[in-house]
Amino acid sequence: EAQVTQNPRYLITVTGKKLTVTCSQNMNHEYMSWYRQDPGLGLRQIYYSMNVEVTDKGDVPEGYKVSRKEKRNFPLILESPSPNQTSLYFCASSFLRGFANTGELFFGEGSRLTVL
Amino acid sequence: SQELEQSPQSLIVQEGKNLTINCTSSKTLYGLYWYKQKYGEGLIFLMMLQKGGEEKSHEKITAKLDEKKQQSSLHITASQPSHAGIYLCGADPWGASGSRLTFGEGTQLTVNP
Repeated sequence: EAQVTQNPRYLITVTGKKLTVTCSQNMNHEYMSWYRQDPGLGLRQIYYSMNVEVTDKGDVPEGYKVSRKEKRNFPLILESPSPNQTSLYFCASSFLRGFANTGELFFGEGSRLTVL
Repeated sequence: SQELEQSPQSLIVQEGKNLTINCTSSKTLYGLYWYKQKYGEGLIFLMMLQKGGEEKSHEKITAKLDEKKQQSSLHITASQPSHAGIYLCGADPWGASGSRLTFGEGTQLTVNP
């Protein structure tokens, strides 16, 4: 089954304790992206990647790191989480047509993170 | 930056009724994407519009992009409880690549049986 898998789905952690949210897709997509969703602010892009070893900042990259060492995986790293990073996180992937995203993003089911 | 405003913010309709959700951009849209989200879950792609005046349909959902490419509407005909969820429009403020999709805040749709 074609899917984007995120782990963990739910996590409660404490300020400063490094954590990684994994994202894996089995559709051979070139493009992958991370979003966070907050009430009143909607979905905001954190980082995106157009291919292996190619990553770039989205709208809210502060406090986050990513890597794209393999095509299928795009982990989101919070080196020192803070309470303002409490949010619902989504990973998404898509094919690229030339330099353009085909528009159909496939989303994971989300990871709800609480930082105390 | 490009801002997408959706209206209404929330909508409650009786099953069988038609409804329209609007998405307005402050800038010309190179591509407009409609997604649906069930509460707390991932988004599901509905359709993408690129050309001024373009209209696409999927089952009972029709989306249009106006000629000026600054406004899109999503119309649901004969709504059903399965249509309930959050509808989000998205666009890439940096052009047509779709790599920097930004989204409106969404319209929460409730369909009462």
